[in-house]
Order: sequence, then C-alpha cells, then structure tokens
Amino acid sequence: ELKVEQNPLFLSMQEGKNYTIYCNYSTTSDRLYWYRQDPGKSLESLFVLLSNGAVKQEGRLMASLDTKARLSTLHITAAVHDLSATYFCAVDSGTYKYIFGTGTRLKVLA
Amino acid sequence: SAVISQKPSRDICQRGTSLTIQCQVDSQVTMMFWYRQQPGQSLTLIATANQGSEATYESGFVIDKFPISRPNLTFSTLTVSNMSPEDSSIYLCSVPSRGNNYGYTFGSGTRLTVV
Repeated sequence: ELKVEQNPLFLSMQEGKNYTIYCNYSTTSDRLYWYRQDPGKSLESLFVLLSNGAVKQEGRLMASLDTKARLSTLHITAAVHDLSATYFCAVDSGTYKYIFGTGTRLKVLA
Repeated sequence: SAVISQKPSRDICQRGTSLTIQCQVDSQVTMMFWYRQQPGQSLTLIATANQGSEATYESGFVIDKFPISRPNLTFSTLTVSNMSPEDSSIYLCSVPSRGNNYGYTFGSGTRLTVV
C-alpha cells in the first residue's frame, strides 16, 4: 500500500528565509504533484514532476523529484507572506489515483 | 485545463439526513474522483466514478453511505447518506487535466457541517 509522508507538518518561518519541505513515498512511482491550498479554498496545482531528476521552478518555489530515493522536495527561497498556505504532495499510485501526503501548513511571518 | 463547477459550496445539515453534491465539468472526461478532507487533515479518495459503470470505492467507503451517480461524461453526484457529525468535512471532486501528465483539477469543494 502506497504511503506518502511529508515533513514538517507545520512550518513557521520569517520572511526572507529559505526552507525545504520533504515528501517521502513508500512504493515506486514516477509521477508526483505538488498542490497549494489556501484556508477554505480548493487545491491549486503547482508542479507536475514526471521523471527522475525532474526539477521545476515557479517564482520562489522549486520542486524536485528523486524516484530512486522516493523523495520529492519543495524548496522555498526568500519566503514572503503570500506563500502562507498548506502544501500537499500527491503521488500517482499507478492507477490514475492520487495518494496525498499529510500536508505542510506554512506560515510566513512578516 | 478543465473547469469544474461544484455545488453546493457549503451546507449545514441535520444528522440522519442526506446531502447530494454535484460536479459539472466543462469538457468530457472518462474518470472523475471524489475526495474527502476532514478538518485539518489531508485528502482521502472516496471513489472513482466512471461513466457507464459502477463507481469503484476505496477501502473504508461503501456505496450505501456514499452513493455516486455518473450519468454522462461531464457530470457526477456524490450523496452523503444518513449523516452523522463525523461526516463533517470538505468534499471535493477532481478530474484529470488534459490527461494525467498535467495533474488533476479540483472542484471548489463542498464544506459540510452535520449538527
């Protein structure tokens, strides 16, 4: 059974700082997705990572995938308050079904 | 990517009653997915709804509690039956965005509170 874990679960950081969120999964998969969820809102797609070594960047966020280590990272550079949200990774189980990570609630302090 | 209209956006329901949630997609899709997000938790897949066949339920979810309809390739409903306070959650539908390589698009969600 595919399990997806994220850490940290909660992250409070100062504006301007860098930090990394980790997503580990338990079985082989070569498709991993990152989503953002604002309070009371639905999910917004951030990144789609489809192969080992894939790296995607958008603004202050950069995501990478290491399928051999079964690890994805979401790196935040010079955080700003607008990045405050909950971030989820999701892994394709191989049958077009997502298994979501536990989520990381990020709060960026001014 | 697909655009999903999900209704209602929120509701407060009495225990023992049922609520039907609707999702309308602006394009034809083979698979639609229904998720539950309990307060402060991650998303859990309830079932996969394919047009023309019975929905496929995940472990811990049964058809009697969460009946699903999929009358055509653009529409699906999820009913939460005989509700209890434990059913208070956000329910979301989801469809693939231009094929699985582009991830999935989610509806705006239905925030259900059972009192």
